[in-house]
Amino acid sequence: SQTIHQWPATLVQPVGSPLSLECTVEGTSNPNLYWYRQAAGRGLQLLFYSVGIGQISSEVPQNLSASRPQDRQFILSSKKLLLSDSGFYLCAWSGNYNEQFFGPGTRLTVL
Amino acid sequence: EDKVVQSPLSLVVHEGDTVTLNCSYEVTNFRSLLWYKQEKKAPTFLFMLTSSGIEKKSGRLSSILDKKELSSILNITATQTGDSAIYLCADYQGGKLIFGQGTELSVKP
Repeated sequence: SQTIHQWPATLVQPVGSPLSLECTVEGTSNPNLYWYRQAAGRGLQLLFYSVGIGQISSEVPQNLSASRPQDRQFILSSKKLLLSDSGFYLCAWSGNYNEQFFGPGTRLTVL
Repeated sequence: EDKVVQSPLSLVVHEGDTVTLNCSYEVTNFRSLLWYKQEKKAPTFLFMLTSSGIEKKSGRLSSILDKKELSSILNITATQTGDSAIYLCADYQGGKLIFGQGTELSVKP
């Protein structure tokens, strides 16, 4: 069965520091991968999605970037965090169907 | 721009009540609409709806799509405290999900 991992679970970072969040999927190959941000427990905002290694689509211009160095690995990064980058970051994967399956999330607080 | 709107944004009920959550969408080339339940962390998948008028059911939860009205409802009967969560509705578009704001449901004992 497929599983999706995210780490770290929580992170507190100062403004201006770099960021790297990692997401890996097991039990499937060539998944579509997604990064979402959720602010204040509300709806999810799609940040990036990827249909294959090295293929990244950005949905919202911002201070973040994403990379997919391996088939089942998706990384969210920033060179310099802003206060507004605080939030709950969720990684998701989908296969041949429309459902997306979410990882446990990373709660990021930028101080 | 595609848009998904949920109502109400929050709701407080007592155990045993029945609730109806609403989701409306304005999208081009509709393909499917999905419902998720989010407790403390990751949203978990509930239903995917593609055809109008066909009810999907899982225990006390059910959902139906009305393509004419561009909307869907999620019903929860005989609510329990464990149903307390944020319920998210999303439209599937070209490999991406566009989410509504969510409905925060609180079930009091």
